[in-house]
Amino acid sequence: GAVVSQHPSWVICKSGTSVKIECRSLDFQATTMFWYRQFPKQSLMLMATSNEGSKATYEQGVEKDKFLINHASLTLSTLTVTSAHPEDSSFYICSAEVAQENTGELFFGEGSRLTVL
Amino acid sequence: AQKVTQAQTEISVVEKEDVTLDCVYETRDTTYYLFWYKQPPSGELVFLIRRNSFDEQNEISGRYSWNFQKSTSSFNFTITASQVVDSAVYFCALYNFNKFYFGSGTKLNVKP
Repeated sequence: GAVVSQHPSWVICKSGTSVKIECRSLDFQATTMFWYRQFPKQSLMLMATSNEGSKATYEQGVEKDKFLINHASLTLSTLTVTSAHPEDSSFYICSAEVAQENTGELFFGEGSRLTVL
Repeated sequence: AQKVTQAQTEISVVEKEDVTLDCVYETRDTTYYLFWYKQPPSGELVFLIRRNSFDEQNEISGRYSWNFQKSTSSFNFTITASQVVDSAVYFCALYNFNKFYFGSGTKLNVKP
């Protein structure tokens, strides 16, 4: 199956710094990528939908100035957590849908664990 | 509104027992997809199955089987002869209009 890769897998940073997480579709093009956040022992919560070449669509309650999403190419979307604070510590997962398909065939990245000290 | 409910928060079984994970969904749409994912402790989501709303045929894949019943809006997942490696969190999800709606997950503990 298709592969989605996230980098870094885990990151520890100091409060106030910004952290960028990359999500790449390795062997297919993805016009749409999704970013999820997962708190310990909880489900995945959709943060935003990232569309190539346009602004991301954020879910209610997600601060777009806090979580900057850029989808500059058909194989790369980035999530930048700006001025991170300990409450931003979480597991972030991206997923990508094969371009021009709307069948729910999403491929998930392996996740990125962010710890803000 | 779309919603997925996994009422079982955590289940513990002994190896070789059969176990069924329940999933109930809500949607007013006629076209949608249902999924099951496995999330081991390492965190990555492992795709198990996708079902579209027009295909109610049950499916069996090795020790895994799924029972889709539109009449009760349920999509239950059964593991036969469970193994320790089956220990993980299992998520049921509903997909339509480019959005996934995940259930809260069921943690399965399989003890040797």
